[in-house]
Amino acid sequence: EVQLVESGGGLVQPGGSLRLSCAASGFTFSTYWMHWVRQAPGKGLVWVSQINPDGSSTSYADSVKGRFTISRDNAKNTLYLQMNSLSAEDTAVYYCARDGGSYYEDYWGQGTLVTVSS
Amino acid sequence: QSALTQPRSVSGSPGQSVTISCTGTSSDVGGYNYVSWYQHHPGKAPKVMIYDVSKRPSGVPDRFSGSKSGNTASLTISGLQAEDEADYYCCSYAGSYTWVFGGGTKLTVL
Repeated sequence: EVQLVESGGGLVQPGGSLRLSCAASGFTFSTYWMHWVRQAPGKGLVWVSQINPDGSSTSYADSVKGRFTISRDNAKNTLYLQMNSLSAEDTAVYYCARDGGSYYEDYWGQGTLVTVSS
Repeated sequence: QSALTQPRSVSGSPGQSVTISCTGTSSDVGGYNYVSWYQHHPGKAPKVMIYDVSKRPSGVPDRFSGSKSGNTASLTISGLQAEDEADYYCCSYAGSYTWVFGGGTKLTVL
């Protein structure tokens, strides 16, 4: 059974940093593209970032480019999102998701809440 | 990377059909046959219902169907059931390994 479990969320002050993790199991993690998607309170889903299977290629939404870094450790079956220079606009539930192989997300985690507030 | 446009809400009675539209541009919806639809019950993980415009993952009822014309994609749910009540999001590949979601549509089953 495919499982994605996010962790690392919490309360952080504006300007601070946080690193999210996503532990994957039930599939060969090293062969899949992976994504981060977020949802601000009361708002819709927003794509944040993606990474290719070996970690050599990444892409980002304009709103996080230069502040967020996606990475992965295939030996640990774990996806990461390093978030720097956080602002209130980054407050959201962050989901990791597996790419289904045709530019869509086929499995999602339950999400981890990041709150940016003083 | 502007969000795709979806109606904020739609509703229908059990057994009826509803269609949710998703309008983008030639740079996303109109440019690629990579539109997907997600069902999201608050507090739960989103679930893919349609991918590649009209393909259904295994386990998704055939009451769910997708289509596209020009820059607008559509999700149709026929034979509405109470458990279909949820938020629905469209998503399109937008080139250069970027994706864009719609603003979401709240489906109410009356």
